Amino acid sequence: EVQLVESGGGLVRPGGSLRLSCAASGFTVSNNYMTWVRQAPGKGLEWVSVIYSGGSTYYADSVKGRFTISRDISKNTLYLQMNSLRAEDTAVYHCARAGSGYLSYFDYWGQGTLVTVSS
Amino acid sequence: DIVMTQSPDSLAVSLGERATIYCKSSQSVLNSSKNKNHLAWYQQKPGQPPKLLIYWASTRESGVPDRFRGSGSGTDFTLTISSLQAEDVAVYYCQQYYSTLPYTFGQGTKLEIK
Repeated sequence: EVQLVESGGGLVRPGGSLRLSCAASGFTVSNNYMTWVRQAPGKGLEWVSVIYSGGSTYYADSVKGRFTISRDISKNTLYLQMNSLRAEDTAVYHCARAGSGYLSYFDYWGQGTLVTVSS
Repeated sequence: DIVMTQSPDSLAVSLGERATIYCKSSQSVLNSSKNKNHLAWYQQKPGQPPKLLIYWASTRESGVPDRFRGSGSGTDFTLTISSLQAEDVAVYYCQQYYSTLPYTFGQGTKLEIK
């Protein structure tokens, strides 16, 4: 059974850093395209970042230069390193798997982890 | 960026009646070489992550009831729930995954029981 479990969220001050983790089971992270999608409280879905199976990474303009997506093959885990956090980064962060590789819908989602940026 | 616009923002439908949600993209998401529309629909219930319902505009994900139907092509798409059930109360999102990043979502449509 495919499962994605995020962790690492919490309260952080503006300008601070957090690293989110997404532990996967039932499939191999490095063989798939994996993404992060966030949802601000009471708002819609916003794509944040993707890592391709080959290792290429891409980011939304709103987080480019501040966030870094990566993966650990041995732990079958996806990460999102978030630096220089801003109040507008407050959201639930979901990891998700791309269902058909390049340019894909997302077929499995984690429950999400809440990041709150506030002083 | 491709902008996705859903209508209406909210919708109230009686149990057993049809619910229709529209999604319009600012440019075509039809891949002519594959004859596939890069358009997905998701359902999100409170406190839960989004759940994939439909991909390639009209392919139902495994396990999704057949009362959910996706249609449309190019820039105009529709999600139809043929006979609304109580468990269908949720927010519905469309998403494009066409040729260039970023992936973008519609703003969401909140579906309630009348």
